[in-house]
This record gives sequence, structure tokens and C-alpha cells, in this order.
Amino acid sequence: EVQLLESGGGLVQPGGSLRLSCATSGFTFSSYAMSWVRQAPGKGLEWVSIISGSGSFTDYADSVKGRFTISRDNSKNTFYLQISSLRGDDTAVYYCAKNPDYSYGSRYFDFWGQGALVTVSS
Amino acid sequence: QSALTQPASVSGSPGESITISCTDTSGDVDIYNYVSWYQQHPGKAPKLILYYVSSRPSGISNRFSGSKSDHAASLTISGLQAEDEADYYCQSYTNTGIRLFGGGTKLTVL
Repeated sequence: EVQLLESGGGLVQPGGSLRLSCATSGFTFSSYAMSWVRQAPGKGLEWVSIISGSGSFTDYADSVKGRFTISRDNSKNTFYLQISSLRGDDTAVYYCAKNPDYSYGSRYFDFWGQGALVTVSS
Repeated sequence: QSALTQPASVSGSPGESITISCTDTSGDVDIYNYVSWYQQHPGKAPKLILYYVSSRPSGISNRFSGSKSDHAASLTISGLQAEDEADYYCQSYTNTGIRLFGGGTKLTVL
């Protein structure tokens, strides 16, 4: 059974930083691209970032480029989102999601974690 | 700039069929080849119900079906059940590599 579990969310001040983790199980982690998707309170879904199976290739939404960094540790079946220079509009539930193939060009998300809430507030 | 537009809400009675549309504003007709659909119950994670327009993942009921034209993609849910009440999101992949979501549609089962 595919499982994804986020951790690391919480309250952070504007301008601060946070690292989200997503621990996975139930599949061959290194064979799949992985993504982060966020959802602001009461709003829709927004894709944030993707990383290829090897970790060599990444891509970001324009709204987070230069502030967020995605990475993975295939030995730990875990991937991460380092978020910095946080703003109020970064407040959201951050979901980690599995992509159905290896490439960072993967086009959809086949399994999702339960989400981690990040609140940016002073 | 691409954007996927969905109706804010739809409703139907148990046993009926409903259709949710997903329209791209940029005129990129290829975007409809990669449309996927997600179901999200309140407080829960999204769940993939269709990918590449009309393919169903394992375990998804055949009451969920998808289609596309040159101008829109659609999700149809037949034989509505109370458990279908949820938010539904379309998503696609643009020719600039952006994974784009629609604004979501709230389905109410009357």
C-alpha cells in the first residue's frame, strides 16, 4: 500500500523558513518523481514543485521559484521542501504527492499524503 | 497565461448523472490531452479519479468517466450517490511545463 506522510508544518513568522518532509512507503521510491501541491484555506489546489526520481531534475511554480527548494534522499525514501522568505500568501496545507513515472515531466499525481499546515503569521 | 475554469458548483439527486466542465482560457487545445480529475472530501487529501482524460486508476468506480473536445474536458458522474458529494478539481499540463489546476467544483447531492 502506497503511503505518504508529511511532517514539519507549523507556525512561522513572515520572512522565516521551514522544512517539510514526506516519508514514503509501499513503492520503489527512487523510481518515481515526487511533487508538492498546496491549498490555501478555503481555496483550490496549486502545484508547487516536482523532483525527478534521481533528484537530478527539479521544477517550480513561478510563485515559489527562488524561495522554495525541493530535494530527496532515496536512501531514506523521503523527500523535502525547504521553504524560505515566507509570506502570508504561503499559508496553506502542503500536500506531498507521488507522480506515476520517473521523469520530472510527469503530468499528474496518483497518490497524496494527508497534508501539513503551514501558517505564516506574526 | 493558461487557466483552467470550472463551474463553482453543481448539484444532482441520487441516481442522476452530472457533468463538470473544465475549460482552458489560453486556447491551448493540447492541454485537454493530459487532463486528470481529483475528488476531495472536506478535510481530506485529494484522490485521483481519472487521468489522461478518461483512464481510471485501480479501484475507481466506472460511474466516473471523462471526455474531451477541442474546447473543454468533462467529468461525468453517473448514478449519483451521497458519498460523491465532494469538491472536484481538473488538472492538466501545459506546453510550458506547468501543472495547472482548475478552481474546483463543489458537488452537492440533493
